[in-house]
Amino acid sequence: KAGVTQTPRYLIKTRGQQVTLSCSPISGHRSVSWYQQTPGQGLQFLFEYFSETQRNKGNFPGRFSGRQFSNSRSEMNVSTLELGDSALYLCASSATPTGHTFYGYTFGSGTRLTVV
Amino acid sequence: ELKVEQNPLFLSMQEGKNYTIYCNYSTTSDRLYWYRQDPGKSLESLFVLLSNGAVKQEGRLMASLDTKARLSTLHITAAVHDLSATYFCAVDGDPNSGYALNFGKGTSLLVTP
Repeated sequence: KAGVTQTPRYLIKTRGQQVTLSCSPISGHRSVSWYQQTPGQGLQFLFEYFSETQRNKGNFPGRFSGRQFSNSRSEMNVSTLELGDSALYLCASSATPTGHTFYGYTFGSGTRLTVV
Repeated sequence: ELKVEQNPLFLSMQEGKNYTIYCNYSTTSDRLYWYRQDPGKSLESLFVLLSNGAVKQEGRLMASLDTKARLSTLHITAAVHDLSATYFCAVDGDPNSGYALNFGKGTSLLVTP
């Protein structure tokens, strides 16, 4: 079956711009979580959506937002980009909400965002 | 605040040798996950450990979980070059955080001839 699809794979943006990243989970999965990975901070949780509802949010500024559609696809948006937003953004898919999975989480290939 | 600590953070080992990576965590979670990441790539799920005493093996890797000690180990047997990668452990957070995954900093493994 198809895995988790993230688009685009690479993005270069200028400071102050905004960006939208997309994540399509495995068919039938209703939970999508987003993570930011940087060399300095490692992997940090951004937010999780389950059945179009945001269940929880990590410790990130309000410039980071997301949503989930009825087909479970999710988007995350970062407004007013800063240099420090340069990172690999990963989404993870699971059939059940975080903390309730028996099969773990499947990650997409990620979107590499570079802010210049 | 939930903490997940891996050690060592860097490991260089010879082919054919055995070694263990340790993952300590501070929550009472009974779910722990191991992932592998190759440079520039995403996270590949290795093991899902769901209860105290869980042990899983895949090829040269074996993972175990001791929830009482809040410790998981990833044991590498007779390492080969293909195992060179970064290995992360992660635990489900507490209910207040919606069980968001918390990752260790990763162990960068290099297997040399």
